[in-house]
Amino acid sequence: DAGITQSPRHKVTETGTPVTLRCHQTENHRYMYWYRQDPGHGLRLIHYSYGVKDTDKGEVSDGYSVSRSKTEDFLLTLESATSSQTSVYFCAISRTSGGAGTDTQYFGPGTRLTVL
Amino acid sequence: GENVEQHPSTLSVQEGDSAVIKCTYSDSASNYFPWYKQELGKRPQLIIDIRSNVGEKKDQRIAVTLNKTAKHFSLHITETQPEDSAVYFCAASGGGGADGLTFGKGTHLIIQP
Repeated sequence: DAGITQSPRHKVTETGTPVTLRCHQTENHRYMYWYRQDPGHGLRLIHYSYGVKDTDKGEVSDGYSVSRSKTEDFLLTLESATSSQTSVYFCAISRTSGGAGTDTQYFGPGTRLTVL
Repeated sequence: GENVEQHPSTLSVQEGDSAVIKCTYSDSASNYFPWYKQELGKRPQLIIDIRSNVGEKKDQRIAVTLNKTAKHFSLHITETQPEDSAVYFCAASGGGGADGLTFGKGTHLIIQP
């Protein structure tokens, strides 16, 4: 497995509380992504980053924000968690993305988040 | 944006038989098509990928075919084994919209002994 870790691996929280999930990589890859996985929906892109301080929205970005202050870390924040955000969250990394340079995405181990 | 449809949602085959999973995509600018295998409770793992300048790619018992004109691609697994049981996801990327992969909803492959 690529050098990707996610923390925490499991979290239970209450509706309305803020939650931050961390993705850490040791591969020095430029691109990082956050996906959520729900039964019947596959994986859906939340946000992605194409460099330090450079981020953009994905398909399901409402209710989420991200930050990337260092190449190795990509944070996903739920400002006020809702029950609809109960999901498994996967981080992924790649050296390049999009266009002619599209490259392999490697996934982290995932974080299971439950919002009560 | 890109839309990826995957069929079937569940596929049960006898051990030793072949399995075929099909996907279609909507964005003609997409140029990268990976397949991931996910075992229960684990992360998705890349098993094979194909780029739009190639029509077919093989890796031992696994092959992927791409038809750019029809905008569909397929995963073929031959001589299936019990360890092939998992959920398989197709994905597409590189289109004119945002970066990142657009995934199909997955196929649960069951290998019957």
